[in-house]
Amino acid sequence: DAKTTQPNSMESNEEEPVHLPCNHSTISGTDYIHWYRQLPSQGPEYVIHGLTSNVNNRMASLAIAEDRKSSTLILHRATLRDAAVYYCILNRDDKIIFGKGTRLHILP
Amino acid sequence: ETGVTQTPRHLVMGMTNKKSLKCEQHLGHNAMYWYKQSAKKPLELMFVYSLEERVENNSVPSRFSPECPNSSHLFLHLHTLQPEDSALYLCASSQDGGGTPNEKLFFGSGTQLSVL
Repeated sequence: DAKTTQPNSMESNEEEPVHLPCNHSTISGTDYIHWYRQLPSQGPEYVIHGLTSNVNNRMASLAIAEDRKSSTLILHRATLRDAAVYYCILNRDDKIIFGKGTRLHILP
Repeated sequence: ETGVTQTPRHLVMGMTNKKSLKCEQHLGHNAMYWYKQSAKKPLELMFVYSLEERVENNSVPSRFSPECPNSSHLFLHLHTLQPEDSALYLCASSQDGGGTPNEKLFFGSGTQLSVL
């Protein structure tokens, strides 16, 4: 399985931007980078995904390194509702395999 | 409303009981999945169905038996479970499930299972 490495936890202040890093040094050319998040007592929800170019949507931005060995999920203005576990996943052959993710704490 | 509904939300069962978890998706997707989430462990993929055919079975013990009668419904039949099977069981769906790596998964809220 394609492996990703994320910090176990991070903290951020409310209303400030958050940059969540992910390393995926064994990424192959056809692996998409996906991000999901899991709010307390809920199933994971899709956040964003990309292949090579940076991506933006209403929830977040995804910055992908030129060599694709790392990526960063950017929450532009964190709110308390963004406190969750964020998973960075390489989608290979449509197998979405979750790691431990980063637990994001938002400080009011 | 995520479009994927799981029932029940909570289930307590004894080791000799037989119970079933139900998942229904209202998104018109063709693929459905069961994941298991134990405390302090990553989500584990259990089963994948694409167009009602099982395409993935990740060495799951036979005490877990999936059933996919149509593309909108997925069941997980449970019998003679062990206490270590206590976990959050999550259902998900995706458009195709046929090996397209930019597919998105849509999850239900899960069934929290406790085996006594």
